[in-house]
Amino acid sequence: QITLKESGLTLVKPTQTLTLTCTFSGFSLTGSTVGVGWIRQPPGKALEWLGVIYGDNDKRYNASVKTRVTFTKDTSKDQVVLRMTNMGPADTGTYFCAQGTGTYYYWGQGILVTVSS
Amino acid sequence: DVQMTQSPSTVSASVGDRVTITCRASQGISSWLAWYQLKPGKAPKLLMYQASILHNGAPSRFSGRASGTEFTLTISSLEPDDYATYSCQQYGALPWTFGQGTRVELK
Repeated sequence: QITLKESGLTLVKPTQTLTLTCTFSGFSLTGSTVGVGWIRQPPGKALEWLGVIYGDNDKRYNASVKTRVTFTKDTSKDQVVLRMTNMGPADTGTYFCAQGTGTYYYWGQGILVTVSS
Repeated sequence: DVQMTQSPSTVSASVGDRVTITCRASQGISSWLAWYQLKPGKAPKLLMYQASILHNGAPSRFSGRASGTEFTLTISSLEPDDYATYSCQQYGALPWTFGQGTRVELK
């Protein structure tokens, strides 16, 4: 059974850095064909793909956030970490991690992040 | 970026109704399209991938079809558990992009 769960601080001040951890089970993030993606959804808006980290540590980022976001993985802990710098009000939303590279087969339930002073 | 235009934004339907949702891609993406079901506070669920392949565990009343750059998700007979928001996602060209979502509500 594959599960994923997002965790981290849910209230961030403008200009601060967001750090979220995705803890997963049921698969191993190793090799070039396995990946964990990050997707977010601002309130009332469409889902937005932020990027993906592959098991071989290759990464792809959406150009919309590329200068501010970094993904890292800790295979021994079955975790992926998202760091996003210079947070602003437009970054408020629910952040999901999901297993997959193109299709996302399994998702976490998401974590609502609010950017506010 | 590939724009995914999803319609309708809302559909009102009764249990037992046939429901069809459409996504149009702004450029060719072959069959690299997935459909997800979203409910508040729950993990999104994958329903279909590669346009027409039913994901393990997804009910067989869901089906997908592709015709050029137009993709459809059909629920053959709506069940109470199907009241939710549905979103398409293309993965034919980076960055992957999603449609705006279709909310299926009780008529």
